[in-house]
Amino acid sequence: GQQVMQIPQYQHVQEGEDFTTYCNSSTTLSNIQWYKQRPGGHPVFLIQLVKSGEVKKQKRLTFQFGEAKKNSSLHITATQTTDVGTYFCAHAGGTSYGKLTFGQGTILTVHP
Amino acid sequence: DAGITQSPRHKVTETGTPVTLRCHQTENHRYMYWYRQDPGHGLRLIHYSYGVKDTDKGEVSDGYSVSRSKTEDFLLTLESATSSQTSVYFCALGQAPNSPLHFGNGTRLTVT
Repeated sequence: GQQVMQIPQYQHVQEGEDFTTYCNSSTTLSNIQWYKQRPGGHPVFLIQLVKSGEVKKQKRLTFQFGEAKKNSSLHITATQTTDVGTYFCAHAGGTSYGKLTFGQGTILTVHP
Repeated sequence: DAGITQSPRHKVTETGTPVTLRCHQTENHRYMYWYRQDPGHGLRLIHYSYGVKDTDKGEVSDGYSVSRSKTEDFLLTLESATSSQTSVYFCALGQAPNSPLHFGNGTRLTVT
C-alpha cells in the first residue's frame, strides 16, 4: 500500500516557538488526515484535506496539502504546553473500504 | 469517549495463552478497526470490519483473528499470545470509507 513518511520523528521547542511536521509520499494521495495524541491518550482527529493546494486553519494550527497531493504539513504558531503530544498524518488507501494508513508520527515536546 | 469502549484497559498474560480484546460501540458505525501502536511504528492496522460478519486483514494481521457478530461489537483474538504482541491496541470507528476515525481509549497488553 501507499506509504507516508513523516518528519521529524521528534521535535523539542521552547514555549512560544513555532513547530512544523511534514508528511511525504512518493505517490499521489487522495486525501490526508491529521490526528493528535496526547501522552497516555488516544489519537484524536484534527482535520482532513482533500483538494490540491488546500490550506485550512484551526486557531494556531495551519494545515496544508501540496499542489501535487504528495505532501502535507502541520504548522503550529507560538506553541503552548498544551500542544505537547504526537501528531500523525494518515491517508486512506484506494480501496472502497477505507483502510487508513498512518505515518510514524512526530513527538512534540514543549519546554515552558 | 462514551460512544466506544474497549475492554479490558490493561492485561498481562503469559506466552501461549489466548487473549480476546473487546471493542463495543453505541454509535451504530458500520466500519470498525483494530490498530496496534508501538514506539517507532506509529499505528498499524491489524484487521478491520465493514459490516456484520464482514472483515478483512490489515498490514499486520498474522497471529490475530477478529469477529463481528453484531454491529456493536468487534472482537480481536490472539490465539496464542507471543511477546512480540506486547503493545497498545486501539479500536476505531468510521462512518464511511475514508472518513475520519474515532478512537477508543486503548488496551495495554503485556505478554510475559
